[in-house]
Amino acid sequence: DIQMTQSPPSLSASLGDKVTITCQASQNINKYIAWYQQKPGKAPRQLIRYTSTLVSGTPSRFSGSGSGRDYSFSISNVESEDIASYYCLQYDNLWTFGGGTKLELK
Amino acid sequence: EVQLVESGGGLVQPGRSLKLSCAASGFTFSDYNMAWVRQAPKKGLEWVATISYDGSSTYYRDSVKGRFTISRDNAKSTLYLQMDSLRSEDTATYYCARTGRYWGQGVMVTVSS
Repeated sequence: DIQMTQSPPSLSASLGDKVTITCQASQNINKYIAWYQQKPGKAPRQLIRYTSTLVSGTPSRFSGSGSGRDYSFSISNVESEDIASYYCLQYDNLWTFGGGTKLELK
Repeated sequence: EVQLVESGGGLVQPGRSLKLSCAASGFTFSDYNMAWVRQAPKKGLEWVATISYDGSSTYYRDSVKGRFTISRDNAKSTLYLQMDSLRSEDTATYYCARTGRYWGQGVMVTVSS
């Protein structure tokens, strides 16, 4: 089974900051990683698929990059509506989620 | 518009069974693999099971193998999750999902005496 190590578990940012979340897979996942935003009481919303492809409706301040085992997700110019939890998901071999990152306002 | 609507959740005693359903609409259900994902209260997301588009292949996380069964009825555009021998650690909101892009609103399952 592929393991996904996501960091940091929590993040504190000011409006307008750039924040970055990383996920490391236990093996090469061939760029098959997606990133999700989840707000309390809501279903996850896919923001990025295949490492860096923005899903329709995802603002351009969100971005993703990486290859092999190491991937990152960034939000430039954090806005108040971005306060949420974020998860990575590898889908190269079945599915494995990262542990999540809770983004809070400083 | 793609819609996934789960149902069948509730409170159940340990060791008992429950069957979840996910009614799909807005797309050709039989064209897509489908999955169940769960989230325990205040915890992260956890993949549970996947079924291929035609139902011929199923996959499960280790902790539910032998207890949960994923199935589908393409004629009814409905996905199922039969959960047997339920444990307290199965308490979670269960989501059905299509290719990771579309998710239902979730249904709560509480396993408690």
